[in-house]
Amino acid sequence: GAVVSQHPSRVICKSGTSVKIECRSLDFQATTMFWYRQFPKQSLMLMATSNEGSKATYEQGVEKDKFLINHASLTLSTLTVTSAHPEDSSFYICSARAGQGNEKLFFGSGTQLSVL
Amino acid sequence: DAKTTQPNSMESNEEEPVHLPCNHSTISGTDYIHWYRQLPSQGPEYVIHGLTSNVNNRMASLAIAEDRKSSTLILHRATLRDAAVYYCIPKTQGGSEKLVFGKGTKLTVNP
Repeated sequence: GAVVSQHPSRVICKSGTSVKIECRSLDFQATTMFWYRQFPKQSLMLMATSNEGSKATYEQGVEKDKFLINHASLTLSTLTVTSAHPEDSSFYICSARAGQGNEKLFFGSGTQLSVL
Repeated sequence: DAKTTQPNSMESNEEEPVHLPCNHSTISGTDYIHWYRQLPSQGPEYVIHGLTSNVNNRMASLAIAEDRKSSTLILHRATLRDAAVYYCIPKTQGGSEKLVFGKGTKLTVNP
């Protein structure tokens, strides 16, 4: 089946630094990828929709200047958390649809970000 | 997006069937019902989806009420590996591709 690879799986950084998370579709082309955030014991919250070759669409309340999304190719989307603060500590998950007309979404294994 | 109601938690014993209910009374006629599950510390994984007819695959069965206002995910023989949070998500076919997750049901499987 389709595989979405997310890297790194865990990252610890100092407050004020930036962190980049990569999401790759390994065996299919993904024109659209999605980024979610999940706090402990809560559900996934959609942050943004990442479209290849164009600007991402952010959900209401998500700061686009803080969470930079780049989708430069059909197999790679990146999320950069800029000037991270402890409140940005969370589990970040990407997903992608495996082809046009395929209704399934495949998810990465997530990135646990801890900001000290 | 159609609103869903699921029990916060359910428990089952290993090897027994599990029926996970979901109410989606505001679902539109074109919304498919998707189920995903999330194992601890992992991203969600697709389980099954359907529109009107009951659906079966190697993971589970999906029983959809005739009025489509509710559905039930059926795990025929629960294993310890099935312990996860199960999410029921109505989604318009071919419409917005995004999935909006509710709170889901946390399934505990006892050995």
